[in-house]
Amino acid sequence: NAGVTQTPKFRVLKTGQSMTLLCAQDMNHEYMYWYRQDPGMGLRLIHYSVGEGTTAKGEVPDGYNVSRLKKQNFLLGLESAAPSQTSVYFCASSWGQLNNSPLHFGNGTRLTVT
Amino acid sequence: RKEVEQDPGPFNVPEGATVAFNCTYSNSASQSFFWYRQDCRKEPKLLMSVYSSGNEDGRFTAQLNRASQYISLLIRDSKLSDSATYLCVVTPGFQKLVFGTGTRLLVSP
Repeated sequence: NAGVTQTPKFRVLKTGQSMTLLCAQDMNHEYMYWYRQDPGMGLRLIHYSVGEGTTAKGEVPDGYNVSRLKKQNFLLGLESAAPSQTSVYFCASSWGQLNNSPLHFGNGTRLTVT
Repeated sequence: RKEVEQDPGPFNVPEGATVAFNCTYSNSASQSFFWYRQDCRKEPKLLMSVYSSGNEDGRFTAQLNRASQYISLLIRDSKLSDSATYLCVVTPGFQKLVFGTGTRLLVSP
């Protein structure tokens, strides 16, 4: 039982390049989330999904796209990376709504955009 | 005003000490509250939920004060392994979770 797995762990991109961050969970959770964490700021929600085939915008969605084609996977895409997207990205999942079920986080992806 | 505010610390305490952190929140409609722990360069992990009547889990006690809009975390008999950043988390609305920036705790021998 691996929990939530993110790939890659580290990545360096040049401005304008694109990439996809992969998140997989084996806990059969309905809800999945992508957060970013920056120094001096709390984790901020980028996008989330309440089930297979659904996605919704979070607090800071601009510059990102997501897809949830399979229940266990949640992909985060950066179409044209910008230095402002340098951050640590965490994927998370939960069995229920945020007010009553804990988040299970992946190990994080450290992204640097030069 | 930030939705969730925490003293960033660091709180430096010796092993065996008792330490307490507070976290204030601005939205009085917030319903659920949590403490997460995050080790350096690691992912956050749920430490405990915070219930209206207060709750305890071993050396950890969490309390909620709705009137003053803050939650607290008390750690008794601190261990070296308690060194981490403690994140206060609040749910001010449906599918909305707001993380504080964290309070850093350093426990020394």
